[in-house]
Amino acid sequence: QSVLTQPPSVSGAPGQRVTISCTGSSSNIGAGYDVHWYQQLPGTAPKLLIYDNINRPSGVPDRFSGSKSGTSASLAITGLQAEDEADYYCQSYDISLSGSVFGGGTKLTVL
Amino acid sequence: EVQLLESGGGLVQPGGSLRLSCAASGFTFSSYAMTWVRRAPGKGLEWVSSIIAIGGVTYYADSVKGRFTISRDNSKNTLYLQMDILRAEDTAIYYCAKLPQGYYASGSYYFDYWGQGALVTVSS
Repeated sequence: QSVLTQPPSVSGAPGQRVTISCTGSSSNIGAGYDVHWYQQLPGTAPKLLIYDNINRPSGVPDRFSGSKSGTSASLAITGLQAEDEADYYCQSYDISLSGSVFGGGTKLTVL
Repeated sequence: EVQLLESGGGLVQPGGSLRLSCAASGFTFSSYAMTWVRRAPGKGLEWVSSIIAIGGVTYYADSVKGRFTISRDNSKNTLYLQMDILRAEDTAIYYCAKLPQGYYASGSYYFDYWGQGALVTVSS
């Protein structure tokens, strides 16, 4: 059971928009800690996608965007492409656990 | 170009030990905190441990505290993870990753570069 809760899977057709939620609690996201997102393509290492809730590292397309409100955060992907098919993870910090925490991951399927 | 290359993975019996290494290049290793994250088969990512840039201050997940030891040799640009009293549930791919700053304290810090991972299998 992960500290941050994500839907196990989402799907969408090419060109569509999908969102992935990340729900925490008052000891992590709700305490004001930033949320970060990673993309893990099959058989590869995780890649930083969004940091500090809303920022994209250089090279990440603006089709990817992040938001945060209260005890939750979301990753939105617009203009879905086949190469977006991957596992997506949110990450934050939990004051009760005194360490970084990840969501359980969401598998994105492009139909 | 930042590169992180893990080594030292393999098959070990329950109760055994293994040491992972992560060779870093392409950045000033001694200026950045580092971390280990793992992914067990069929499961998600799990933060394991972090160490500050100059070493000496370390942080651990409860699941490995007392069994794993993170360390670094800044003269060799290498990060280590000594894993003792290994359990079947420690079976995972272990990734080393870099933080964008030299510290890891009570804050939500992201990991900006990752290695390709080293597979550790704990089984009799």
